[in-house]
Amino acid sequence: GAVVSQHPSWVICKSGTSVKIECRSLDFQATTMFWYRQFPKQSLMLMATSNEGSKATYEQGVEKDKFLINHASLTLSTLTVTSAHPEDSSFYICSASDRGPLPLHFGNGTRLTVT
Amino acid sequence: DAKTTQPPSMDCAEGRAANLPCNHSTISGNEYVYWYRQIHSQGPQYIIHGLKNNETNEMASLIITEDRKSSTLILPHATLRDTAVYYCIVRVTGANSKLTFGKGITLSVRP
Repeated sequence: GAVVSQHPSWVICKSGTSVKIECRSLDFQATTMFWYRQFPKQSLMLMATSNEGSKATYEQGVEKDKFLINHASLTLSTLTVTSAHPEDSSFYICSASDRGPLPLHFGNGTRLTVT
Repeated sequence: DAKTTQPPSMDCAEGRAANLPCNHSTISGNEYVYWYRQIHSQGPQYIIHGLKNNETNEMASLIITEDRKSSTLILPHATLRDTAVYYCIVRVTGANSKLTFGKGITLSVRP
């Protein structure tokens, strides 16, 4: 079945530094990837949609200059949290879709802690 | 905003069937009903989806009412590992179609 791999599974960084999270589709070509954020005891909130080879589309209220998304190939999308602050601490999850009718499949998430 | 409403929580006994309801009264003709679940600190796991016919797979069954305004996810023999938050989502198919999560229903399976 469709597998989405996310790396790292957890990361701790200092305030002001940048962190990159990778999302890979292992057995299919992902034309579209989605990035979500989840705070404790809350549901997943969509941050942005990325299409291979084009600029990401960000949801209202998400800062595109702070959350840089790159989708340079059909199997890899990256999310970079720039100048991270403690309020950026959260669970970040990616999902991927191909052109067909496959349902979206999700990575196992990255827990970011900014100290 | 999520287009579905679910009770916040329910529980069931291990080995019994768990019936999880979902209302989606404003569903459009080209929207499917998807179910995902999220076990603590993991990414959501796809369970099943359907348009208007009932569907069954190795994990669960999905019963959609004839008017498509509500559905029920059935886990036929719940186990402790089925304890999770279950999300009912309506979505059109297609690569660019996003999933919008509501609050979901927390299922607790008791021994």
